[in-house]
Amino acid sequence: GENVEQHPSTLSVQEGDSAVIKCTYSDSASNYFPWYKQELGKGPQLIIDIRSNVGEKKDQRIAVTLNKTAKHFSLHITETQPEDSAVYFCAASISSSASKIIFGSGTRLSIRP
Amino acid sequence: GAVVSQHPSWVICKSGTSVKIECRSLDFQATTMFWYRQFPKQSLMLMATSNEGSKATYEQGVEKDKFLINHASLTLSTLTVTSAHPEDSSFYICSARVPQVANEQFFGPGTRLTVL
Repeated sequence: GENVEQHPSTLSVQEGDSAVIKCTYSDSASNYFPWYKQELGKGPQLIIDIRSNVGEKKDQRIAVTLNKTAKHFSLHITETQPEDSAVYFCAASISSSASKIIFGSGTRLSIRP
Repeated sequence: GAVVSQHPSWVICKSGTSVKIECRSLDFQATTMFWYRQFPKQSLMLMATSNEGSKATYEQGVEKDKFLINHASLTLSTLTVTSAHPEDSSFYICSARVPQVANEQFFGPGTRLTVL
């Protein structure tokens, strides 16, 4: 089955700097790659996603890139703010498997003031 | 956007009792819902896929007789933890598949279960 690896597990950046989180996946059939933000005691919230027919997608300060050949995808957050502090999860999904979403291990992002 | 709710948001029970958690899609019909479990400082692990009107599909290693799933309507799926034990204490999160949008899911706020 699909396996998603995520790095780093923790990340601390100065407010205003950029943060990058990287993931790899194992199943070449995966075609949907969402990113979630989870705050303490809450469910995950979708912040951006990308599908396999697109290499890059941007939404204000957040961007995601996908390299299908290398099975890599990354989340980029620019101009980080204190409210960006949370746990971020990458994930992968295959349309043919009832759309099951397989999560990475998570990255705890801390923004230093 | 679509909203998924869970009830209760937290529950404390005694060992050996059963606990039911509800997952509702509030403004759309969800033929497929998913149940996840998340232990502290860990990722979400898929437990089962819940399909309206049919039996749930459980992931490997998840005991179907312990975690009973019922998806009786297009807006409600329930997870019952039977004979709960302290090791079942966890954060349970449901999600609902977004209609007509491939792969996308909306997640509920989660239910914190503590078994004493």
